[in-house]
Amino acid sequence: AQKVTQAQTEISVVEKEDVTLDCVYETRDTTYYLFWYKQPPSGELVFLIRRNSFDEQNEISGRYSWNFQKSTSSFNFTITASQVVDSAVYFCALSTFPGYSSASKIIFGSGTRLSIRP
Amino acid sequence: NAGVTQTPKFQVLKTGQSMTLQCAQDMNHNSMYWYRQDPGMGLRLIYYSASEGTTDKGEVPNGYNVSRLNKREFSLRLESAAPSQTSVYFCASSGQGDSPLHFGNGTRLTVT
Repeated sequence: AQKVTQAQTEISVVEKEDVTLDCVYETRDTTYYLFWYKQPPSGELVFLIRRNSFDEQNEISGRYSWNFQKSTSSFNFTITASQVVDSAVYFCALSTFPGYSSASKIIFGSGTRLSIRP
Repeated sequence: NAGVTQTPKFQVLKTGQSMTLQCAQDMNHNSMYWYRQDPGMGLRLIYYSASEGTTDKGEVPNGYNVSRLNKREFSLRLESAAPSQTSVYFCASSGQGDSPLHFGNGTRLTVT
C-alpha cells in the first residue's frame, strides 16, 4: 500500500530563515514518482517538482532545493532565505507507475502549512 | 488556455439531495482524477480514470459515483449527500506516465 506522511502540520518562521519540510513515503513498488505541490492562500494547486525512484540526485531551483533519499524513504523540501510569498500549504505526493496505458494512483500527504512572518 | 475547468465553484446541498460536479480538460490528457480536501487531511483520492469508460476507486470512494464520458470530461456524482461530504473537491488531469497533475480551481460543497 502507498502512504505519504508529512508529520509537520504547521511551521512558522521569520522571513529570511531557512526551512525544511519533511516527507516520508511508503511503497512496495520499485518504480515510483514523488512530487511537491504548493497551495497558496488563493487555493489553487501548483506543481513544483517531480522525482523518479531511480534518480537520487538532489535538485536546486533558486531558493528551493529537494533532497531525495531512498535509504530513509524521504523526499524533503528546503526553502532557503524564506520570503513572505512562500507562505502556503505544501503537499508531497507519491505516484506508482502502472504502465503507459493505465492511470497512476497518486496519493498525497496531509500537507504542511508554512507561515513566513515579516 | 483553460486547462481544467470545474463547475460549479460553490454549492450548498441539503442532506439527501443529489448533484453532479462537472470537470473538463482541454489538454488531451488521458488520466483524470477527483480529490477531496478537508482540513488536516490533505488531498484524498476519490476516483481516477485512465481513459474513456474506465474508472478506478481511490482512497475514499464510498458515497460517490463517477463517469468518464469521453476523453475530456470526468464527472463526480453524489447520489444522496451527507454532511460528511462537505469539502472542497478538486478535479485534475495528467498526461501519460509520470506527468504531474494539472488541477482545476475546486468546488466548495457544503451539505447541511
